[in-house]
Formats: sequence, structure tokens, C-alpha cells
Amino acid sequence: GAVVSQHPSWVICKSGTSVKIECRSLDFQATTMFWYRQFPKQSLMLMATSNEGSKATYEQGVEKDKFLINHASLTLSTLTVTSAHPEDSSFYICSARPGEREQYFGPGTRLTVT
Amino acid sequence: GQSLEQPSEVTAVEGAIVQINCTYQTSGFYGLSWYQQHDGGAPTFLSYNALDGLEETGRFSSFLSRSDSYGYLLLQELQMKDSASYFCAVGLGNQGGKLIFGQGTELSVKP
Repeated sequence: GAVVSQHPSWVICKSGTSVKIECRSLDFQATTMFWYRQFPKQSLMLMATSNEGSKATYEQGVEKDKFLINHASLTLSTLTVTSAHPEDSSFYICSARPGEREQYFGPGTRLTVT
Repeated sequence: GQSLEQPSEVTAVEGAIVQINCTYQTSGFYGLSWYQQHDGGAPTFLSYNALDGLEETGRFSSFLSRSDSYGYLLLQELQMKDSASYFCAVGLGNQGGKLIFGQGTELSVKP
């Protein structure tokens, strides 16, 4: 199946700093990628849709100035958590799909803000 | 708003069959998907229904009734490695690419 990678797999940062997470589709091109957040023992919550060459579309309640998304190429989307705070600590997962059926998820990035 | 309901947890024994139900109320519908997630891992795709009926993939089958806004995942010949969380998800915008997930069902398989 298709492969989506994420980097880093985990990161610890201090409160107030920014963190960038990369999502790559390794063997297919993705004009659209999706970013999710998951808290422990909870479901995946869609944060935003990343569109290649245009602005991301954010879900209601997600601060676009805090979670900056850039989709500069057909295989790379980045999520930057700006001025991170402890409540931003979570598991961030991206996804993309090569067809119309299954989505492929990256391995996730565990962010801890101290 | 969008809502998907599924049981929070299910317990079964090895070799048994288990069914995880999912009902949904969403503003659009591009299909119902099922994903498996082990602790600390990423969700992996199991099955997808765009039309009514049963889809079979090995030990896993999924069913959809659009008129009832209902679907289920059937897991047969349960194995210990099937212990995981299972999520149903409805595809919405972006031709179904935008997924809204249920809260997940934690399946425990006992020896």
C-alpha cells in the first residue's frame, strides 16, 4: 500500500517555542493532505485540510494562526505549532489518499510541551 | 453537527466473532470506512463501503445501510493481535477525503 511518513516521530519543546512537523507521501502525489490531532484514549479530530499551492482549510475551533500549514509540493505538507503551550501536547497525525477509498496515515508525531 | 456512535468497548475470546456497530448523523456522506489503531500507532485502513451491502476482506467484513445511517464491522476468527481500537469514519468534503471519526471501540481479545 501507499506510504506516508512523518517527521519527527516525537518532540519535546519548551512553552512558547514553535515546532514544525513534516508529512510526506513517499510513493504517490497528494494534492490534498489532512492533519488530525488525537488526545490519549480519544478519537482523531480533524484539524485542517492542506491544499497544495493554496491556503489550508481549517475546521471550526482550530486557530489558523497557531497551527500554520504549508503544502508547498505534491508530496510534502508541514504543520507548525506556534508558541506552543502544554495544552498543545498531543499526538499529531497526517493522512493522504492516492485514490478514493482508503486514506493512509503517517506514523504520527507525539508532541510534549513542557 | 456531525456525530458517529459506536460502543466504547467490546470483549471477546480468541476464535470468536465480534460485530462493532456504527450509526452516524452527518451533513454529507461519501462512504463509511473502518480503521484499526494499536496503542501508540497510526490508524490503518480495514474496509470501506460506499454503497449498501457487505464488503469482505479476509477475516474482516463491513456492512452499510445508507437508509438506516448504519454500518458494522465484523471480525471473524479473532486473534490476540486484534486487540486494538476500531474507528468508523464517514467521508465528507473533498470527495470523501475529509474523514470524521467515531469515538472508537476498544476491543479486548482474551485467550
